[in-house]
Amino acid sequence: AQKVTQAQTEISVVEKEDVTLDCVYETRDTTYYLFWYKQPPSGELVFLIRRNSFDEQNEISGRYSWNFQKSTSSFNFTITASQVVDSAVYFCALSEANNFNKFYFGSGTKLNVKP
Amino acid sequence: DAEITQSPRHKITETGRQVTLACHQTWNHNNMFWYRQDLGHGLRLIHYSYGVQDTNKGEVSDGYSVSRSNTEDLPLTLESAASSQTSVYFCASSESRDTQYFGPGTRLTVL
Repeated sequence: AQKVTQAQTEISVVEKEDVTLDCVYETRDTTYYLFWYKQPPSGELVFLIRRNSFDEQNEISGRYSWNFQKSTSSFNFTITASQVVDSAVYFCALSEANNFNKFYFGSGTKLNVKP
Repeated sequence: DAEITQSPRHKITETGRQVTLACHQTWNHNNMFWYRQDLGHGLRLIHYSYGVQDTNKGEVSDGYSVSRSNTEDLPLTLESAASSQTSVYFCASSESRDTQYFGPGTRLTVL
């Protein structure tokens, strides 16, 4: 079974719309980290956020926000008022206490923001 | 500024040839990783290293090898390139139990 599932393969929105990217994870550890990375069309992988399992506070950074819910094993990412520059593939990842250095990546969600 | 670089950025080779992809980081991180990215699979771990002289196999290690002779470099070698190894390869590094930071990637085509 996949440890990180990003069920949305591709999403298209029009600029200024809000969009939420889903991430569901699976782990038996009580201590773990969750991550989001952005891969723009230029191809590099850009780190966005890291959240540990003991911190369920939602995080907001400008137009980006993250909703971590342990009850549903989800770590969703919302972009408010999307812009064309947000067009990218977004990856969610998990690392577990038994080996924090090993990351499990989801298959990614491609976000297309149209003008 | 500290960084992680990969070379070459693009490579075309023929089936059966040996290919080495370079990864160099200047953060002095102990941990280094190699991933491949294929459509529909996200990133899959090939090999990783937690320090000099340490190497470990990831989930898709067949046909690949690495060696770690210093902290800064983790070259990835394809012993006999196959068409199935056509992919984009990413190197990453991290401090222990910390975020992984990625290089710009190498696009490899095996004809």
